[in-house]
Amino acid sequence: EDKVVQSPLSLVVHEGDTVTLNCSYEVTNFRSLLWYKQEKKAPTFLFMLTSSGIEKKSGRLSSILDKKELSSILNITATQTGDSAIYLCAVEAGNQGGKLIFGQGTELSVKP
Amino acid sequence: NAGVTQTPKFQVLKTGQSMTLQCAQDMNHEYMSWYRQDPGMGLRLIHYSVGAGITDQGEVPNGYNVSRSTTEDFPLRLLSAAPSQTSVYFCASSYSWVSGGPSFVNTDTQYFGPGTRLTVL
Repeated sequence: EDKVVQSPLSLVVHEGDTVTLNCSYEVTNFRSLLWYKQEKKAPTFLFMLTSSGIEKKSGRLSSILDKKELSSILNITATQTGDSAIYLCAVEAGNQGGKLIFGQGTELSVKP
Repeated sequence: NAGVTQTPKFQVLKTGQSMTLQCAQDMNHEYMSWYRQDPGMGLRLIHYSVGAGITDQGEVPNGYNVSRSTTEDFPLRLLSAAPSQTSVYFCASSYSWVSGGPSFVNTDTQYFGPGTRLTVL
């Protein structure tokens, strides 16, 4: 059975801290791994990763995929209170595109 | 572009009632899907569609029907609501293309609608 597991499930940090969120997966026919940020409503897209070892960056956020370890990390540096959200990892797998398998999410709380 | 829109935002049903959750997108995306989100379980795929007239089941299809008569709309129907269907429902869409054969659909980033919070009493 295809599975995506995120850790930790929740995290509380202070502004300015750096955090690393983890996502591991066991799927058949891996196609891509996506990170989303969810703040009380719809998930918004952060990154799509398909190649191992290539870091993707957007401002203070970065992510990298390790296909050998079947995992990905999402790093947030110099955290701000606006980074408080649930971060979702999803893996697209199977013979047909589009079917996302989501992890449980990591709830990040950034305190001032 | 309005993106992906969903109606209603909130709904309360009694057990056994039926209703349709609406989803529409104006980005000319072929691929559309429905997910439900429950606490501690992430999002789970209910049904998806690779184009008008084509639908298929996802991970948790029981109790739900879908149809895709146009590219823009992908409604989700609950025929007889049950308390287990209390959840937040998200519709998503993405650009897609076929390569390597007619059944090999590839998709780009999926964009999500704002969600419908459904409570079944």
